[in-house]
Amino acid sequence: GESVGLHLPTLSVQEGDNSIINCAYSNSASDYFIWYKQESGKGPQFIIDIRSNMDKRQGQRVTVLLNKTVKHLSLQIAATQPGDSAVYFCAERDGSTLTFGKGTMLLVSP
Amino acid sequence: DADVTQTPRNRITKTGKRIMLECSQTKGHDRMYWYRQDPGLGLRLIYYSFDVKDINKGEISDGYSVSRQAQAKFSLSLESAIPNQTALYFCATSDSGTGFGYTFGSGTRLTVV
Repeated sequence: GESVGLHLPTLSVQEGDNSIINCAYSNSASDYFIWYKQESGKGPQFIIDIRSNMDKRQGQRVTVLLNKTVKHLSLQIAATQPGDSAVYFCAERDGSTLTFGKGTMLLVSP
Repeated sequence: DADVTQTPRNRITKTGKRIMLECSQTKGHDRMYWYRQDPGLGLRLIYYSFDVKDINKGEISDGYSVSRQAQAKFSLSLESAIPNQTALYFCATSDSGTGFGYTFGSGTRLTVV
């Protein structure tokens, strides 16, 4: 069947590089943001979240940056590995549910 | 066993048929959601439920219905399937008390011919 990765923006990096995936969100009133990773044939998996009263949050090898002025969210992955290859989605809490972005495909070559 | 289980994993059905997709969870979460995923369009919300007696329409509810049979079960029905409902369908859960991150099932790939 057709992959969900088709028609998506794609970021190609070499193993060991740092990756930055960007997301523009739509609602200035959104108060909570999440990054998800979706591997082929699987459901999205939670990576990291950030509340709107923060501008940076770090996890293991991942950092999320939030710029509310321009409604921009980014996910930084340090020392990218082949296992990081996937589609990455940002999501914003707009009211009582999450609204997802269209996604970015990350391809990591060894 | 998976925290959020969707059945079936794959289904091919004919136009006009009624079909039900099922979702069950063992996380004890109160909130459940149905999303569809199409190439290039991301995840779009169909219906959601914050408790057993609570049902809410999402962005694209036309042609779908849902039933929250118990806190752990949330099913999605296509009353009369049409080809443009061919998509990946995901069930998700969240806990209103502890956070807002969703836990997703593995998805159901539905093809309407």
